[in-house]
Order: sequence, then structure tokens, then C-alpha cells
Amino acid sequence: EDKVVQSPLSLVVHEGDTVTLNCSYEVTNFRSLLWYKQEKKAPTFLFMLTSSGIEKKSGRLSSILDKKELSSILNITATQTGDSAIYLCAVVNYGGSQGNLIFGKGTKLSVKP
Amino acid sequence: DSGVTQTPKHLITATGQRVTLRCSPRSGDLSVYWYQQSLDQGLQFLIQYYNGEERAKGNILERFSAQQFPDLHSELNLSSLELGDSALYFCASSVAGGQKGGNEQFFGPGTRLTVL
Repeated sequence: EDKVVQSPLSLVVHEGDTVTLNCSYEVTNFRSLLWYKQEKKAPTFLFMLTSSGIEKKSGRLSSILDKKELSSILNITATQTGDSAIYLCAVVNYGGSQGNLIFGKGTKLSVKP
Repeated sequence: DSGVTQTPKHLITATGQRVTLRCSPRSGDLSVYWYQQSLDQGLQFLIQYYNGEERAKGNILERFSAQQFPDLHSELNLSSLELGDSALYFCASSVAGGQKGGNEQFFGPGTRLTVL
């Protein structure tokens, strides 16, 4: 069965800390991996990764894909309370029985002042 | 604001009833996706439409159906509702829907369905 697994499930840090969130996947026909941030409502897009080893960066957030290890990490440096959210990893998969975008259960990040 | 709109924002109904959720994609997006999010299941893909045609099907129950109209808006119909159908239903849209890319999906604000 196709699956996306995120770890840790939850994380509590203090402002200024650096965090690394993990996502691993097993899918039939991998196309790309996406990271989303979900605060109170709808997920908002962060990154899309298709090539291994190329880091994508946006401010204090960065992400990289390792196709050999079937995984991706999302790094957040100098965390702020506004980074508190659930971070979702999703894999675009064609041909699987579960549809073409499979989400992990998310990592809940809490940043304390 | 992602540009994807969903109505209604909240819906409270009784078991056995039928409801319709509506979604308008971002201007120019041809694909519409429906997801269900509940506390214990996380985000579950239900179904995708691309330019009016069903493109992919996920964990959608037979009691649920969807369609995409010529103006590209989509409706998700939920019938014979059960308590377990209470969840947040998201619609998302993307430019494309095939294997050539355009997989970045923009989510609407969601419809919270409560079945009593």
C-alpha cells in the first residue's frame, strides 16, 4: 500500500531553535513531493520537490529531497511563534490506488516564546 | 487567500440527509480535488476532476459523488449521511492534472460538516 510517514508527530521547541521535520514515502510511481503548512484552516503550499539533492529555500524554511532514501526533510531555522502549525508532507503518485496525492498525518510544531 | 472558494463554510445536518458542497477553483485552474479531513484520519484524497472529467479516485464512499461543470466549478454530493461523515471537506485546485506537472495544489478554506 502506498504511504507517506512523517516524524515526529509533534514537536515543542523554543523561539530561536532550529527544527528538522522528516517525511518518508513508499509509493508506486513517484512524481513529486510537496510540503504544506496548516494553521487553523486550509493547508498553504510551501515547496514542491522533484529532483533529488536540490535544496529549495524560502526565508527561514528550506527543504530537500533524497530519492535514494525515499525521504525529504523540512528545516526551519530561528523558529518564531508564528511557525506553530501542522506541517504536512504529500507525495504525488500516479497509478496508485489511493489517488494521486497522498498525505502524511503531519507534524504538529509548537514554538514557545 | 488562495483564490479557491468553497461554500458553505459550515453545515449542520442530521443523519440520513443529503448535502451538496460547492467549490470554485482559482481562475485558470482546470483541476479540482476534494479531500476529507477528520481528526483521526488526517487528509484523505477523495476524487479529482480535470476539465470536466473524472481523473482520479481515492477513498470516496459510494454514498458520495462529485462532478465538475463546464464553468469548472465543482460540487461534492454526500448522501445518507452518517455521524462518521462529520469532517472538514477541502477543495483544492491546480493548473494541470496530468503527468506533465502543475501539481501544486491551492486549497480552499474548507466546509465544516457536522452530522447530528
